[in-house]
Amino acid sequence: SAVISQKPSRDICQRGTSLTIQCQVDSQVTMMFWYRQQPGQSLTLIATANQGSEATYESGFVIDKFPISRPNLTFSTLTVSNMSPEDSSIYLCSVAGAKTGGSSGNTIYFGEGSWLTVV
Amino acid sequence: GQQLNQSPQSMFIQEGEDVSMNCTSSSIFNTWLWYKQDPGEGPVLLIALYKAGELTSNGRLTAQFGITRKDSFLNISASIPSDVGIYFCAGKLGEKLTFGTGTRLTIIP
Repeated sequence: SAVISQKPSRDICQRGTSLTIQCQVDSQVTMMFWYRQQPGQSLTLIATANQGSEATYESGFVIDKFPISRPNLTFSTLTVSNMSPEDSSIYLCSVAGAKTGGSSGNTIYFGEGSWLTVV
Repeated sequence: GQQLNQSPQSMFIQEGEDVSMNCTSSSIFNTWLWYKQDPGEGPVLLIALYKAGELTSNGRLTAQFGITRKDSFLNISASIPSDVGIYFCAGKLGEKLTFGTGTRLTIIP
């Protein structure tokens, strides 16, 4: 499976500020995704990060609030803009199509998550 | 977004007991995945199912991909303290995952 590293792992942010979360994978992957998990809830897909083009956002999420970059096949960033307490969540990077061979290419793996608290 | 119906929502069991949880959906999926999440951590993949009717084991864990492609179950045999956590099912169609609502497993000493 791919090894996924996220930074920061935790942060406390001031209301109105923006924070960029980084996701680094140890191998090239076809797909990268960003999820949000609000306290005590399940995971919700924010967007698919597309290499070299604009991300594809799910209903209820917009680029102005969650700009995403994906400059290559191993790295992506998610920015949470103009944060409010409602943005306090775990933000998770996930990947699919790891180019390491075997049947794992069809499976989706997750990073450890970035736990943001907005005060 | 859409979520799968996962049950039970929580379970309180004694160490050594078997555990069973399931997910149902109104939509079909091509892949079913089961994850476990510990507090403050990301989900860790337990089992992946790729074909309708498939039954797959991983140690004490057994999962099945329902024949209708709209459901899946996960069984844990002889539970141990480290099984505590939240279990999520996820259905995959194309490249996107739809997650279940989660089952919180607590082991009573």
